[in-house]
Amino acid sequence: GAVVSQHPSWVICKSGTSVKIECRSLDFQATTMFWYRQFPKQSLMLMATSNEGSKATYEQGVEKDKFLINHASLTLSTLTVTSAHPEDSSFYICSARALAGGPNTQYFGPGTRLTVL
Amino acid sequence: AQTVTQSQPEMSVQEAETVTLSCTYDTSENNYYLFWYKQPPSRQMILVIRQEAYKQQNATENRFSVNFQKAAKSFSLKISDSQLGDTAMYFCAFMKLRNANTGNQFYFGTGTSLTVIP
Repeated sequence: GAVVSQHPSWVICKSGTSVKIECRSLDFQATTMFWYRQFPKQSLMLMATSNEGSKATYEQGVEKDKFLINHASLTLSTLTVTSAHPEDSSFYICSARALAGGPNTQYFGPGTRLTVL
Repeated sequence: AQTVTQSQPEMSVQEAETVTLSCTYDTSENNYYLFWYKQPPSRQMILVIRQEAYKQQNATENRFSVNFQKAAKSFSLKISDSQLGDTAMYFCAFMKLRNANTGNQFYFGTGTSLTVIP
């Protein structure tokens, strides 16, 4: 089956530093990847949608200069949290939509826990 | 805008019993998909079941089935013969159909925390 990986699974960083999270589709090509943020015991909030080779589309209220998204290939999208602060601490989840298959073919990564000290 | 509502923040069920999780949604779209995802303590999102809006027949996957009422915009999940491994957060999600070459955005409900009691 289709597998999406995220790296790292858990990262701790100091306030003011930048952190990059990778999302990879391991056995399929993904035209579109989505980035979500999830606070404890809450739902997934869509941050942005990224299409391979084009600029990401950010949801209202999400700072595009703070959360840099790059979708350089059909198997890799990255989310960089720039100048991270404690309030950015959260669980970040990506999902990928397969190039082939029906429109409802979307697979989730295992998530990345970010802790900013 | 699409909204998805799960009115039950927490539920519990005895092992081997049946439980129903509710979900309602609001949309002006006619063609869309509905999903139930499970998120166990590992936080990995797992697809439980999906329903195409144009299909009148309710989807079924082993012990999981849905009651899809399109006119009422209701999409409940029934779990039969509950097992301890069913303990998780359950999210209802809506996806409208767009151009096949663009992303199909999910809208998630707030989730229901289900606990299966031994």
